[in-house]
Amino acid sequence: AQSVTQLDSHVSVSEGTPVLLRCNYSSSYSPSLFWYVQHPNKGLQLLLKYTSAATLVKGINGFEAEFKKSETSFHLTKPSAHMSDAAEYFCVVSASGGSGNTGKLIFGQGTTLQVKP
Amino acid sequence: DSGVTQTPKHLITATGQRVTLRCSPRSGDLSVYWYQQSLDQGLQFLIQYYNGEERAKGNILERFSAQQFPDLHSELNLSSLELGDSALYFCASSVEIDYEQYFGPGTRLTVT
Repeated sequence: AQSVTQLDSHVSVSEGTPVLLRCNYSSSYSPSLFWYVQHPNKGLQLLLKYTSAATLVKGINGFEAEFKKSETSFHLTKPSAHMSDAAEYFCVVSASGGSGNTGKLIFGQGTTLQVKP
Repeated sequence: DSGVTQTPKHLITATGQRVTLRCSPRSGDLSVYWYQQSLDQGLQFLIQYYNGEERAKGNILERFSAQQFPDLHSELNLSSLELGDSALYFCASSVEIDYEQYFGPGTRLTVT
């Protein structure tokens, strides 16, 4: 069975400093991994996805994530935080692989990113 | 704008009532997914349809049902509503199974 664990429920950074949001995954198969962002009172927006191509994945708005199989991690980073990055971030694994492939998404509990001026 | 539309945006209803949430997927997407977001359970998968047929079920209560119509839009029916059903309900669509999913803006259901 697949699962994801977001290691921090809340991260606070100053504007212009790096962002690191940590995620560990568990999967019986080669996973498809995603990061989604949810701004207050908004829907979910896809930031980036990993599907077994390059291990370093670049997404929108300057975010990127690195897939590390040995560490079962998929941490999200950004070199310089902007005030508009303040939101809830979800690490997500797709329940794919094996029989009965559905592609349903399994979400982590979310990390709230606060950006201080 | 993801291209996925959901109606209504907000819904306030009383316990015991029945409501229908509607979702129109992105043009060309065959797969539709429903998710529930609540404070205590987080984001949870409810049900998936692919080209009109139910493909997978998650943590969906028996009081809830869904369908996908020939034009690929989907409806989620929630009946005998309880206070605990208050949540944000998202619809997502993808072109095929296991492709990236695009989410609608959600329907906020409040049961009083």
